[in-house]
Amino acid sequence: KAGVTQTPRYLIKTRGQQVTLSCSPISGHRSVSWYQQTPGQGLQFLFEYFSETQRNKGNFPGRFSGRQFSNSRSEMNVSTLELGDSALYLCASSFGGPYNEQFFGPGTRLTVL
Amino acid sequence: GEDVEQSLFLSVREGDSSVINCTYTDSSSTYLYWYKQEPGAGLQLLTYIFSNMDMKQDQRLTVLLNKKDKHLSLRIADTQTGDSAIYFCAERRDDKIIFGKGTRLHILP
Repeated sequence: KAGVTQTPRYLIKTRGQQVTLSCSPISGHRSVSWYQQTPGQGLQFLFEYFSETQRNKGNFPGRFSGRQFSNSRSEMNVSTLELGDSALYLCASSFGGPYNEQFFGPGTRLTVL
Repeated sequence: GEDVEQSLFLSVREGDSSVINCTYTDSSSTYLYWYKQEPGAGLQLLTYIFSNMDMKQDQRLTVLLNKKDKHLSLRIADTQTGDSAIYFCAERRDDKIIFGKGTRLHILP
């Protein structure tokens, strides 16, 4: 079956702009989690959506938001971009149970100039 | 501490065993994971271990868990060039998966 897909794969924006990233989970998966990966901070959890509701949230400012649609596809939005938002943004999907394996997408590489 | 700790780099000769170590934070963590990330790719779950286990073996991979010391290790036997990647240790804590910063495994010819 098809894996987790993320679009776009690469994105270049300037400070102050906003950006929307998209994640399509594996068919049948209802949970989508988002992570930010940077060389300095490693992988940090942003939030998780399950059945269109945010179920869990990490320690990121309100500029980072997300949503999930009825088909489980999820979008992540970052407003008022800062240079420090440059990172690889990974999404992962699972069936949603507490111990279900997460499957990761290839990520979206965001560069903020 | 708050963080999952692991060393950043490891160099191993091809054919030798690689051992990647990790210290996690929450003694009540029920699941501990090892993920692999190859260049330009997302994370791939390699293996996981329940907290009530001491060891798990899966082909060339052996995971050892010392709950008392909150120490987790991943041993890769007969390391190959295809094992070159970043390896992340992670624990399930408060319904979230908390990752270490990753160990970059470099294979020497």
